[in-house]
Amino acid sequence: DTGVSQDPRHKITKRGQNVTFRCDPISEHNRLYWYRQTLGQGPEFLTYFQNEAQLEKSRLLSDRFSAERPKGSFSTLEIQRTEQGDSAMYLCASSWQGTGTTSEQYFGPGTRLTVT
Amino acid sequence: GQSLEQPSEVTAVEGAIVQINCTYQTSGFYGLSWYQQHDGGAPTFLSYNALDGLEETGRFSSFLSRSDSYGYLLLQELQMKDSASYFCAAAGEGSNYQLIWGAGTKLIIKP
Repeated sequence: DTGVSQDPRHKITKRGQNVTFRCDPISEHNRLYWYRQTLGQGPEFLTYFQNEAQLEKSRLLSDRFSAERPKGSFSTLEIQRTEQGDSAMYLCASSWQGTGTTSEQYFGPGTRLTVT
Repeated sequence: GQSLEQPSEVTAVEGAIVQINCTYQTSGFYGLSWYQQHDGGAPTFLSYNALDGLEETGRFSSFLSRSDSYGYLLLQELQMKDSASYFCAAAGEGSNYQLIWGAGTKLIIKP
């Protein structure tokens, strides 16, 4: 396994369109996270899965955003009716932990979204 | 509110030692993580402190003081490849899975 992969790496879309991103975590990892990062800022937590269950979702996350991890492996993040403010790098990370807190997460290369 | 504060930029000379500080204000604190991110790259994990004290990993060390809500990352024998942004992150309110991140410290290394 070569690490976390994300597809596409870049996406340009027009305002109002829907977009979907895919993340393939490290195969033995049971936890998967989505973040959004804008220039000069740290990653902002969006949502978290343990296996196929979505256990946490940021209170700041608009209902235009939805994420799935149907078989506990890959995950998709969909943004409906995109807005220019959605332009950012979308990062996926995964980790393996049976219990306890998250500490070491492995990040994918990200999907850079530009909404025109 | 929850926040992590770190300097926006630090400059150091190749071969020197530099310390990047992080103060945090969170509830339900479990530990402090440090990540490195090169321009255009993804964050990579450096270290994690759950207990007070110093953790050493090669040229990098990380320190935590829970009583002071403070930690730092120490980088020794600086190399040009260490030029990057460094983020501290901590588990946030009511959650031990949701990491709250600082805005990052850009480390500039001069020859």
